[in-house]
Amino acid sequence: QVQLQQSGPGLMKPSQTLSLTCAISGDSVSGNSASWNWIRQSPSRGLEWLGRTYYRSKWYNDYAVSVKSRITINPDTSKNQFSLQLNSVTPEDTAVYYCARKTQGALDIWGQGTMVTVSS
Amino acid sequence: DIVMTQSPDPLAVSLGERATISCKSSQSVLYSSNNKDYLAWYQQKPGQPPKLLIYWASTRESGVPDRFSGSGSGTDFTLTISNLQAEDVAVYYCQQYYSIPWTFGQGTKVEIK
Repeated sequence: QVQLQQSGPGLMKPSQTLSLTCAISGDSVSGNSASWNWIRQSPSRGLEWLGRTYYRSKWYNDYAVSVKSRITINPDTSKNQFSLQLNSVTPEDTAVYYCARKTQGALDIWGQGTMVTVSS
Repeated sequence: DIVMTQSPDPLAVSLGERATISCKSSQSVLYSSNNKDYLAWYQQKPGQPPKLLIYWASTRESGVPDRFSGSGSGTDFTLTISNLQAEDVAVYYCQQYYSIPWTFGQGTKVEIK
């Protein structure tokens, strides 16, 4: 079955760059039917979709306007994974971060979540 | 952005009774070319990621008990849990995937009365 395994640090200082990775098993990051997404959850903002990457003969990305100037989502086909980079973090970026697969339906497979705390 | 609004929150229901959660979108999520509503429901328990229950507004994900059902179209949707079980205590979210950015409701916490 498809599984997503997240990795990355949980404690950061303001202005640093958040980097998380989501390793895929049971599917391919470069498959033509899925998109690969990052979502975060905090008490103040609820569930917030951040962005996605997907392959349809070439690579595409979409990002939420709220983070568009700071975010990059990249696929890594050699390792069958995708990553999130969020620059210049502030305490408002403190949240649980999830990776998730979207197929023809909705977000059907989720990673286990990574609690990221931004604090000086 | 499409705003998703859920009610009520919280919702207390007796075991074996029916729980009904409403979700309204600020604009239609019905795609006319395929007549599908781009609306999903998720269940989240403490310390776990959301779990997909329903997509296309009324299609149950594989393995989801048939006491969970979704209905509605356009801008008004309902998640119904019939015969509420103790393991159904959780927060439930609706989400639209009609247009980017995908957006979620604020959640409805279902409790046992």
